Amino acid sequence: QKEVEQNSGPLSVPEGAIASLNCTYSDRGSQSFFWYRQYSGKSPELIMSIYSNGDKEDGRFTAQLNKASQYVSLLIRDSQPSDSATYLCAVTDGGATNKLIFGTGTLLAVQP
Amino acid sequence: EADIYQTPRYLVIGTGKKITLECSQTMGHDKMYWYQQDPGMELHLIHYSYGVNSTEKGDLSSESTVSRIRTEHFPLTLESARPSHTSQYLCASSEAAQPQHFGDGTRLSIL
Repeated sequence: QKEVEQNSGPLSVPEGAIASLNCTYSDRGSQSFFWYRQYSGKSPELIMSIYSNGDKEDGRFTAQLNKASQYVSLLIRDSQPSDSATYLCAVTDGGATNKLIFGTGTLLAVQP
Repeated sequence: EADIYQTPRYLVIGTGKKITLECSQTMGHDKMYWYQQDPGMELHLIHYSYGVNSTEKGDLSSESTVSRIRTEHFPLTLESARPSHTSQYLCASSEAAQPQHFGDGTRLSIL
């Protein structure tokens, strides 16, 4: 059973701090990795994609991928109350299907 | 920005009714997906399609059925709705190895 694991949280950080969200996956054949943000009652929204080892930065967001450790993370700098949401880690399966395997999500709460 | 549309946004209906949830995308994506998600819970893939006339069941068993007669359209049907079908249904699409983009979802409530 291919799995994606995340700490369910809630992860509580003060406004302006760095939030660090972690994700591990079991399928070594996975090639594409995504972070989605989901506000309560809304659909998931893609915020970061990463395909190769290392860091990828986009504004206040940095995704980090380590395929050897099967680990992907998301850092949110200068956290804002509007960042409070559930963050879903998603990984493509190792086949050609492009099916995404989603983690259960980490609930982030940014305290003003 | 992805253009994927789901209708209706909300549906409250009685037990035993036939329901069709619509999903359309204007990007010409080959791949489309249906997910089911209960409040505060994880996403579950229930159906997917890699192109016209191609449909597969997902990881979560569902009594719903889907069809893919046109590239842009991927409707989901429940022949006889039951209270256990109450949930949020999310449609997504993607191209090749690109990320999936989601519609706004349909929140279904069966009385």
